[in-house]
Amino acid sequence: DAGVTQSPTHLIKTRGQQVTLRCSPKSGHDTVSWYQQALGQGPQFIFQYYEEEERQRGNFPDRFSGHQFPNYSSELNVNALLLGDSALYLCASSSQGRGGFGNEQYFGPGTRLTVT
Amino acid sequence: QKEVEQDPGPLSVPEGAIVSLNCTYSNSAFQYFMWYRQYSRKGPELLMYTYSSGNKEDGRFTAQVDKSSKYISLFIRDSQPSDSATYLCAFSNNAGNMLTFGGGTRLMVKP
Repeated sequence: DAGVTQSPTHLIKTRGQQVTLRCSPKSGHDTVSWYQQALGQGPQFIFQYYEEEERQRGNFPDRFSGHQFPNYSSELNVNALLLGDSALYLCASSSQGRGGFGNEQYFGPGTRLTVT
Repeated sequence: QKEVEQDPGPLSVPEGAIVSLNCTYSNSAFQYFMWYRQYSRKGPELLMYTYSSGNKEDGRFTAQVDKSSKYISLFIRDSQPSDSATYLCAFSNNAGNMLTFGGGTRLMVKP
């Protein structure tokens, strides 16, 4: 049973560029949450997608946007990159709509983004 | 005041020691309590989650929640070098909602 997968594992971008990160949830999960983890800090919630809609959003600017596809996979897009966007971006999946408890979020390995 | 306070460590213990990791929180709406383990350059791994006050045990790990004091703990018995990692406490106010994390405690277990 494949867990949460993310791609790419690492990428380097220049200030002002745009980036797209991808996530495939754990088998049987229908909800995807995205988190940003700066070095030495705990993850910060960006947003959550369920039924292809943004369900909740954390305190992140509109430069951060996302999408969920019918197969439950998800993308995180960040526009106009800033140096401060350098971080580990984590995707977590859970099950909301299939009778599960729903709160157990399982994380992928993350994508390490470096903005220069 | 931060919503969640967690001592960043590092906490260094000898192999076989009992480890106690703690978090305090201020948001009374938090109803779900979790502990994650994160190895260097990896994603967090769910270790324990609890809903109510009291203790929950799983192998060498025991999670303790005291809602009245807004204090949660994770105990690790017979610690091993493989337990060396960063431990993150996490909270949620409702099933499936966003998680609020502490900053993590770095644990080092020396052989």
